[in-house]
Amino acid sequence: EVQLVESGGGLVRPGESLRLSCAASGFTFSNAWMSWVRQVPGKGLEWVGRIKSKTDGGTTDYAAPVKGRFTISRDDSKNTLLLQMNSLKSEDTAVYYCTTYNSGHFDNWGQGTLVTVSS
Amino acid sequence: EVVLTQSPATLSLSPGERATLSCRASQSVSSYLAWYQHKPGQAPRLLIYDASNRATGIPARFSGSGSGTDFTLTISSLEPEDFAIYYCQQRGNWPLTFGGGTKVEIK
Repeated sequence: EVQLVESGGGLVRPGESLRLSCAASGFTFSNAWMSWVRQVPGKGLEWVGRIKSKTDGGTTDYAAPVKGRFTISRDDSKNTLLLQMNSLKSEDTAVYYCTTYNSGHFDNWGQGTLVTVSS
Repeated sequence: EVVLTQSPATLSLSPGERATLSCRASQSVSSYLAWYQHKPGQAPRLLIYDASNRATGIPARFSGSGSGTDFTLTISSLEPEDFAIYYCQQRGNWPLTFGGGTKVEIK
């Protein structure tokens, strides 16, 4: 059974940094393309970014609102996906979901971790 | 970017009734549209991908149709566990985008 467990969320001030982790199990993580999707409280879903598997180049793509501030990486030895978030803004407040990424859709999701950016 | 508009915003129905949800794209996304179910406090679940393909383990009462700019998710007979928010998502044009959601609530 595929399991994705996010951690690292919390309350931070504007301009600060935070790193989220996603522990993956139940599938061959190193072969998987992975993604982060977020949901602002009371709003819809927003794609954040994607990382390919290392065998497919390991490259990343980001949504415009986070490009240059967020970095997605992976540690295949630990089956872990990471999201480094810098220069956080109030509008980054959201629940962040780790997902598997399959040809442009998201076929497995974690339960999410809440990030609150507030002074 | 492609804007996905879902309608109605809220659908009030009784168990056993048929639900028809709409997703309209601001430009053609071919058949590259997915549907997700999301219940509060739970992980979203992929229901349909590429407009009409049911994801693994999804019951046959869920079906998707459409292409280009107009898509429909149909739940043939609502079960109690189907009351949730449904989102469409396109992969036809970069960046990937989601619709605003349709809430299916118990009447």
